[in-house]
Amino acid sequence: GQNIDQPTEMTATEGAIVQINCTYQTSGFNGLFWYQQHAGEAPTFLSYNVLDGLEEKGRFSSFLSRSKGYSYLLLKELQMKDSASYLCAPTSGWGKLQFGAGTQVVVTP
Amino acid sequence: DADVTQTPRNRITKTGKRIMLECSQTKGHDRMYWYRQDPGLGLRLIYYSFDVKDINKGEISDGYSVSRQAQAKFSLSLESAIPNQTALYFCATGGTGGHEQYFGPGTRLTVT
Repeated sequence: GQNIDQPTEMTATEGAIVQINCTYQTSGFNGLFWYQQHAGEAPTFLSYNVLDGLEEKGRFSSFLSRSKGYSYLLLKELQMKDSASYLCAPTSGWGKLQFGAGTQVVVTP
Repeated sequence: DADVTQTPRNRITKTGKRIMLECSQTKGHDRMYWYRQDPGLGLRLIYYSFDVKDINKGEISDGYSVSRQAQAKFSLSLESAIPNQTALYFCATGGTGGHEQYFGPGTRLTVT
């Protein structure tokens, strides 16, 4: 099985930076996904890390340390539209993802 | 047009009724999944299918059944709905070449 831990909620102001941490314990590991989900909508893919290190994609970056069972998602230059839930999802391979409960990011003016 | 569609989008039903949620995809993916989402619990896997002849239970399959009618269609049934099955249900698809999953818009189900 897998345990996934991420903060429930984070608040930041527009233009700021927020870092969402995720720790996981898995019986097998083959990469980690981050998804964004706006209230009442479907999750949408943000990033995938399979090797240690930082992956940068525009304002969003994701980091992975496999030895520590740790990942973070970094959101830079926050915009109001970034207010959403962010889901950490490690995968053991075989096409199965395990989702964390999500971190609700609230962006204030 | 959306790649992954779900019908109905909203449904209210009574305890004991049988209900079917349907999912269709035009992405040509072999893998399809059903999840439910409850506040504070995240997405939990109900069933998944890696091809038309393959059906697997997820972590919370009790009270649910599925049918993979074709590569593009995967339906979820609640044989006898109960109130604690009130949730947001998502269908997702995935290709065999990667791990990313693509989600449908969701079905909000209320069992009274």
